[in-house]
Amino acid sequence: NAGVTQTPKFQVLKTGQSMTLQCAQDMNHEYMSWYRQDPGMGLRLIHYSVGAGITDQGEVPNGYNVSRSTTEDFPLRLLSAAPSQTSVYFCATRSDHSSGNTIYFGEGSWLTVV
Amino acid sequence: GENVEQHPSTLSVQEGDSAVIKCTYSDSASNYFPWYKQELGKRPQLIIDIRSNVGEKKDQRIAVTLNKTAKHFSLHITETQPEDSAVYFCAAGLWTSYGKLTFGQGTILTVHP
Repeated sequence: NAGVTQTPKFQVLKTGQSMTLQCAQDMNHEYMSWYRQDPGMGLRLIHYSVGAGITDQGEVPNGYNVSRSTTEDFPLRLLSAAPSQTSVYFCATRSDHSSGNTIYFGEGSWLTVV
Repeated sequence: GENVEQHPSTLSVQEGDSAVIKCTYSDSASNYFPWYKQELGKRPQLIIDIRSNVGEKKDQRIAVTLNKTAKHFSLHITETQPEDSAVYFCAAGLWTSYGKLTFGQGTILTVHP
């Protein structure tokens, strides 16, 4: 199993451009989420999903959209990139309720907005 | 919402020494406290976690303690090794909160041979 797969791994965008970070998982986990990691600020939750067709906002949702049409995929869309969105983005999944809140991260996507 | 403070931001120890990282949280409803280790350029990986129904949990050289009354929890690494060098993050949240965790700011641990 691949686990959690993120693409692209590295991306440079110009201010105002849009793009989608892809996240796919093959563990049949219901819960998926996106975090961003900035120096000195730990990881902050952007959006999360508790299942196909259901999404909700996290701590820092502005400037990002998500959708969950299938269990496997949870893409993160940057609508109009800004330099403040330069960060490392991690997709994360969590297995079912009985396993609690243990989350597993993808390998990360490094995004630079110039 | 939850707020997690982590200290120290950097920690330097000699190989074989112990290392302690401390976190405080603000929401008394939080009942799940994981610790993640992140090596340079890699993803965070869970190393140990604790639920609020226990006060301490150990896994070989790693232990976590929890004081619910004071709302703080700590990571203890004994007999440190150079491969323990990494960034460590604490987090707090609800056991059933769908992957929603609030993270501390991270501690850069350096173990000198």
